[in-house]
Amino acid sequence: DQQVKQNSPSLSVQEGRISILNCDYTNSMFDYFLWYKKYPAEGPTFLISISSIKDKNEDGRFTVFLNKSAKHLSLHIVPSQPGDSAVYFCAACDSGGSNYKLTFGKGTLLTVNP
Amino acid sequence: EPEVTQTPSHQVTQMGQEVILRCVPISNHLYFYWYRQILGQKVEFLVSFYNNEISEKSEIFDDQFSVERPDGSNFTLKIRSTKLEDSAMYFCASSSDRGHGYTFGSGTRLTVV
Repeated sequence: DQQVKQNSPSLSVQEGRISILNCDYTNSMFDYFLWYKKYPAEGPTFLISISSIKDKNEDGRFTVFLNKSAKHLSLHIVPSQPGDSAVYFCAACDSGGSNYKLTFGKGTLLTVNP
Repeated sequence: EPEVTQTPSHQVTQMGQEVILRCVPISNHLYFYWYRQILGQKVEFLVSFYNNEISEKSEIFDDQFSVERPDGSNFTLKIRSTKLEDSAMYFCASSSDRGHGYTFGSGTRLTVV
């Protein structure tokens, strides 16, 4: 039962261009969403989050957009840099619950080519 | 920047042996978690811990697993009798109120042989 789906296992982008990573969710109780970046043999590193009361959150080169009606969010990286190459995980949480358990997608491998 | 520290980074154990994975969460955080990632698969929730007790556990977290916060700083995951399928990266995480500052450690790679 995939409550959080990242349908693109991989994405390849040229340096300087925009990277768009997509995520869909099915559980309508999810109201807090996070994006993590992960290198091999390391833990997920927090990038950016968004609460369901917003439709956009921006932090430097990273912007997350949330479309609640479509149960869809996306992460935009502009401009993309070779150091951005990693696996990106979308995660979702029901913040009204008592424990803030995260449900992860399967991840998208982003490769930024010089 | 505050970080979650996990030890050891790599643990090899024989099937049937007990292992303890250790974590030091961020000091002012209130919620503590264990997740795991089997090679090639997604990160999966195991257990959450708040106010000195388990608040939720997944179906993966069976009787072979236990967690403890023995001294107010460490947070441990114990697997009593390891199986081959327990081989995975185990990540500890902690967060402050309402899930803010959700931070993961760098993980322990557990290999059961």
